[in-house]
Amino acid sequence: DAGVIQSPRHEVTEMGQEVTLRCKPISGHDYLFWYRQTMMRGLELLIYFNNNVPIDDSGMPEDRFSAKMPNASFSTLKIQPSEPRDSAVYFCASSPTGGDVQPQHFGDGTRLSIL
Amino acid sequence: AQSVTQLGSHVSVSEGALVLLRCNYSSSVPPYLFWYVQYPNQGLQLLLKYTTGATLVKGINGFEAEFKKSETSFHLTKPSAHMSDAAEYFCAVSGSSASKIIFGSGTRLSIRP
Repeated sequence: DAGVIQSPRHEVTEMGQEVTLRCKPISGHDYLFWYRQTMMRGLELLIYFNNNVPIDDSGMPEDRFSAKMPNASFSTLKIQPSEPRDSAVYFCASSPTGGDVQPQHFGDGTRLSIL
Repeated sequence: AQSVTQLGSHVSVSEGALVLLRCNYSSSVPPYLFWYVQYPNQGLQLLLKYTTGATLVKGINGFEAEFKKSETSFHLTKPSAHMSDAAEYFCAVSGSSASKIIFGSGTRLSIRP
């Protein structure tokens, strides 16, 4: 089975540029999560979707961040304009709905560096 | 509301020694508990999970964890450490099925030859 696929794996860009991170969840999973991981703050949940609808975006840092899920197989996380403090590893994860608790399956992440 | 505290940001053990990674949780509802492992440059992978029933949970790679409600703990153990166990380990708690999971700050496990 294909796992969660994220692209790009690495992104280096200059401050002020727009950054778009992409995620393809596991087929059949109807929950999708975006996380940010830094040394200082650890793993933070930014936003999650259920059936393509945003459920909780309370972790989104500020208006420069936006996330969309136009269909069940694709989601984007956009930063505009980007700042050096946005440098981090961004993970996407997905999980199915089930009678029992379903763990989240993570992608390998996008390592973002803003210069 | 749920929260997780992992005691010790870094644990170092000798190869062949017991591994013990500590996790305490707080939850206003019966918790679902997880341990995840993260190898360098990879995402998190599920090691094991506790939902209901048996309090001793066995996971992959010889790891196990015991849910102790009276101590609000879910410590991770492995009888004999292997070099390949070196990684970051995250304890996590959820209050309901497939909703958001709250992760601890992680414990980096180092294995000495």
